[in-house]
Amino acid sequence: GAVVSQHPSWVICKSGTSVKIECRSLDFQATTMFWYRQFPKQSLMLMATSNEGSKATYEQGVEKDKFLINHASLTLSTLTVTSAHPEDSSFYICSAILEGRDNQPQHFGDGTRLSIL
Amino acid sequence: AQKITQTQPGMFVQEKEAVTLDCTYDTSDPSYGLFWYKQPSSGEMIFLIYQGSYDQQNATEGRYSLNFQKARKSANLVISASQLGDSAMYFCAMREEGSKSTFGDGTTLTVKP
Repeated sequence: GAVVSQHPSWVICKSGTSVKIECRSLDFQATTMFWYRQFPKQSLMLMATSNEGSKATYEQGVEKDKFLINHASLTLSTLTVTSAHPEDSSFYICSAILEGRDNQPQHFGDGTRLSIL
Repeated sequence: AQKITQTQPGMFVQEKEAVTLDCTYDTSDPSYGLFWYKQPSSGEMIFLIYQGSYDQQNATEGRYSLNFQKARKSANLVISASQLGDSAMYFCAMREEGSKSTFGDGTTLTVKP
């Protein structure tokens, strides 16, 4: 089945550091990928929709300059948390769907736990 | 407006018994899909079952079945013969045609030995 790989799984870094998270579709091409943020015991909050070859579409309230998304190829989207601060600590998870397949589930990466000290 | 509602923040079930996790949704689109995902404490999202709005029969996948009541706009997940490994958070999601998914707030299921 379709697989999405997300790296790294864990990141611990100092405040002010920029952190890049990669999301790769391993056996299919994904023109669209989604980035979510999740706090403990809460639902997934959609941050942005990543579109290959064009600018990402951000959800209301998400800072574009803070969370940079690049979707440079059909198999790779990256989320960069710029100048991260403790309040950015969270679980970030990406997903992709097979195009034109509304009856197909989202394929999720395993997520990245980000801790900013 | 909340499109997906999961009214049970937490549920307990005895091992080997069945449990129903509730999900109601709201849409005016005639074409949509309903999904259930499981999220263990490790964090990964695991797809369980899918129900299309035009499907006549309730979906089943092994121990998982979806009680789809279209008129009531409900899509409850039934887990039969619960196992300790079923302890996790469960999310109901809906995707309207050509649109992005909407997730419920989730239900934390705890299976007691």
